Amino acid sequence: SQQGEEDPQALSIQEGENATMNCSYKTSINNLQWYRQNSGRGLVHLILIRSNEREKHSGRLRVTLDTSKKSSSLLITASRAADTASYFCATGQLGAQKLVFGQGTRLTINP
Amino acid sequence: GAGVSQSPSNKVTEKGKDVELRCDPISGHTALYWYRQSLGQGLEFLIYFQGNSAPDKSGLPSDRFSAERTGGSVSTLTIQRTQQEDSAVYLCASSLSNSEEFMTEAFFGQGTRLTVV
Repeated sequence: SQQGEEDPQALSIQEGENATMNCSYKTSINNLQWYRQNSGRGLVHLILIRSNEREKHSGRLRVTLDTSKKSSSLLITASRAADTASYFCATGQLGAQKLVFGQGTRLTINP
Repeated sequence: GAGVSQSPSNKVTEKGKDVELRCDPISGHTALYWYRQSLGQGLEFLIYFQGNSAPDKSGLPSDRFSAERTGGSVSTLTIQRTQQEDSAVYLCASSLSNSEEFMTEAFFGQGTRLTVV
């Protein structure tokens, strides 16, 4: 069964705008990670945030984590056409050692 | 190699035949994961290895699916008596560690696209 659910399922914005994707999960976690997938093949790791962290930045990416609400958000600022991809959150569950992925958000950046 | 390698990249097989999918993780990575992804869907967890042992096999869809890892390195996912619903992309990933105290990022291979006809 899937742990995380991304929202929205699909997002289409203009180049230069900011894109925000959300992830909700059900069980207690040790960490949460965001990945990007182009063309339906391998995933690329973007950022990892631990359960005792609330916000993390990496370049144009900003991730927040609210463990009380069991949710996370990924913000991509100043979007580019190359950001077009599917974005997945993955949770490292407390008491387990596996990564469980959500259904993903398909992001389209229009030039 | 520099990254996670999966073979074959594409496999077409007849219903009822057995298939073996191979994953070569990054050298030194102790954790190895297998996932399945149907078209346009999320990643379905199948199994993970810590070294050569598989503490969690709960994601394997049926007893037709099995996996092993030898020498703390190469892993093979075997599907026996394939069915059309097994058609999907099978993704392998490895990470340096997956302990609760020190979980690290996972590196993915490009996947094997399995088509059962």
